[in-house]
Amino acid sequence: GAVVSQHPSRVICKSGTSVKIECRSLDFQATTMFWYRQFPKQSLMLMATSNEGSKATYEQGVEKDKFLINHASLTLSTLTVTSAHPEDSSFYICSARQGEHNEQFFGPGTRLTVL
Amino acid sequence: AQSVTQLGSHVSVSEGALVLLRCNYSSSVPPYLFWYVQYPNQGLQLLLKYTSAATLVKGINGFEAEFKKSETSFHLTKPSAHMSDAAEYFCAVSDPRRRGSNYQLIWGAGTKLIIKP
Repeated sequence: GAVVSQHPSRVICKSGTSVKIECRSLDFQATTMFWYRQFPKQSLMLMATSNEGSKATYEQGVEKDKFLINHASLTLSTLTVTSAHPEDSSFYICSARQGEHNEQFFGPGTRLTVL
Repeated sequence: AQSVTQLGSHVSVSEGALVLLRCNYSSSVPPYLFWYVQYPNQGLQLLLKYTSAATLVKGINGFEAEFKKSETSFHLTKPSAHMSDAAEYFCAVSDPRRRGSNYQLIWGAGTKLIIKP
């Protein structure tokens, strides 16, 4: 099946710094990738849809200047959390859409802790 | 608009017992339906999917789900629970009319499956 990697798996940073998370489709090309945020014991919250070669589409309430998304190639999308604060601490998961049925294949997630 | 309802945020069963996780959807047309599993601190893994072929779908790890149009349901079952099945399970739906678009999956809230020894 389609494999999606995510890096890093875990990051701890100081408040005010920026953190970049990479999402790669390893064995297929993904024109569309998705970024989710998941709080403890809660469901997935879609943050944005990342499209190769164009601007990302952000969900309501998600600050585009806070969460910068770049989808520069068909196999790589990046999410940069700018000027991170403790409230940004969360589990961030990316997925890539592949196939005619809109199914998504997920990366393993990134645990972000902002001190 | 499409929506997904998973009845029960937590389901607890004994090891060896039947697992039944409920998923009901709301859609104007028969949708594509998916079940995903998430183990702690991991991403989601596709368990199985319904895409308008056979109504009884078999997935990985012994799970299966049956699409029932009359009940707008897609419940997930497994005859005999194993300790390794303890995880969070998510039901999701997509609109088959919107292939190739940016259309995202519509997610249920998730059900945590607890396996008692």
